[in-house]
Amino acid sequence: RKEVEQDPGPFNVPEGATVAFNCTYSNSASQSFFWYRQDCRKEPKLLMSVYSSGNEDGRFTAQLNRASQYISLLIRDSKLSDSATYLCVVIGGNNRLAFGKGNQVVVIP
Amino acid sequence: NAGVTQTPKFRVLKTGQSMTLLCAQDMNHEYMYWYRQDPGMGLRLIHYSVGEGTTAKGEVPDGYNVSRLKKQNFLLGLESAAPSQTSVYFCASGLAGKIEQFFGPGTRLTVL
Repeated sequence: RKEVEQDPGPFNVPEGATVAFNCTYSNSASQSFFWYRQDCRKEPKLLMSVYSSGNEDGRFTAQLNRASQYISLLIRDSKLSDSATYLCVVIGGNNRLAFGKGNQVVVIP
Repeated sequence: NAGVTQTPKFRVLKTGQSMTLLCAQDMNHEYMYWYRQDPGMGLRLIHYSVGEGTTAKGEVPDGYNVSRLKKQNFLLGLESAAPSQTSVYFCASGLAGKIEQFFGPGTRLTVL
């Protein structure tokens, strides 16, 4: 089983709608989780950390489900500028970051 | 601050040629990393460094060498390029004890 798994999509979402997607991780001992955003042909940038209690940053909400070993990201009121690939990142073995393949989001006007 | 910069942005090599990719950061970060990103794959760690003069292997180190002679620079070398090394290479840096990594803009390498 891969360390971090994501459904690559694409997730096509009408502008103004809500989109949500998950990422599963294999290491039950993982303690730290993040979402990075990567625009087409650009570098990844940290979007938000994922805390045990969940966290919200504007239109973005991240949740952690330790029992089922997945994290989720929800985007409300989608904007055209939200079109990007969202990378799930987990602290894996040897304390290094393990990246998922990403969930591609396409916001349609 | 320029953040993390990478040189060159694009390069085409023939099989067997060698080259060095340069990463520079002006944020005084202790940790630096080299990743490769291929279609359908997540970012994979090639080598990393936790300080000047130290390097360590990541997930996919074969065919690459690195050096960290100065804190601000991290070099990635390909001694004999192969088509399987066609990829986008990202350098990243971060503070010791901090999780967030700051990425450079990437180098697109094609090996023919």
